[in-house]
Amino acid sequence: QVQLQESGPGLVKPSQTLSLTCTVSGGSISSGGYYWSWIRQHPGKGLEWIGYIYYSGSTYYNPSLKSRVTISVDTSKNQFSLKLSSVTAADTAVYYCARAAGGNSGFDYWGQGTLVTVSS
Amino acid sequence: DIQMTQSPSSLSASVGDRVTITCRASQSISSYLNWYQQKPGKAPKLLIYAASSLQSGVPSRFSGSGSGTDFTLTISSLQPEDFATYYCQQSYSTLLKCSFGQGTKLEIK
Repeated sequence: QVQLQESGPGLVKPSQTLSLTCTVSGGSISSGGYYWSWIRQHPGKGLEWIGYIYYSGSTYYNPSLKSRVTISVDTSKNQFSLKLSSVTAADTAVYYCARAAGGNSGFDYWGQGTLVTVSS
Repeated sequence: DIQMTQSPSSLSASVGDRVTITCRASQSISSYLNWYQQKPGKAPKLLIYAASSLQSGVPSRFSGSGSGTDFTLTISSLQPEDFATYYCQQSYSTLLKCSFGQGTKLEIK
């Protein structure tokens, strides 16, 4: 059974960089075939896709966030990470990591989510 | 970018009712449409992928249909555990970009 677990600071100051890590268990990122993703949800709002990374390191980002987002992968630790720079209060959200098999398959496994608050 | 519009935004129904939620894409997305259920404080759960394929472990009262721009999620007989928010998601965009609908909150009447 694949499991994903987000970790990182729950509070980030404005203008700083938000950094989160997703640890994958029950399956290997380097086995290929999956897109490892970050998705966020503002309080009481809908879901916003942030971006994907493939095990090879290829990345795909939401154009609205692209200038501030970096997603990276560490296959040796079976982890992938999100960095979002120059954060503001508008980046306060629950951040989820998730797995997609690509194409037409949807996000089939999700982490439980972690709330990140941007505040001084 | 492809915009996804769900209707209705909220819906009240009773246990045993048949419920349909609609999702419309701003351009054709073939069958690149997925449906999720989210309960408060929980991560979304994949219900339907590729417009009409039931994800493993999901009850058969859930079904999806459609292609092109118009899609539906149907719950044939509502159960108490089905009261939640439902989202559609497209994965058709070039470069694997995806987007979600705004959600439909299904409440108990």
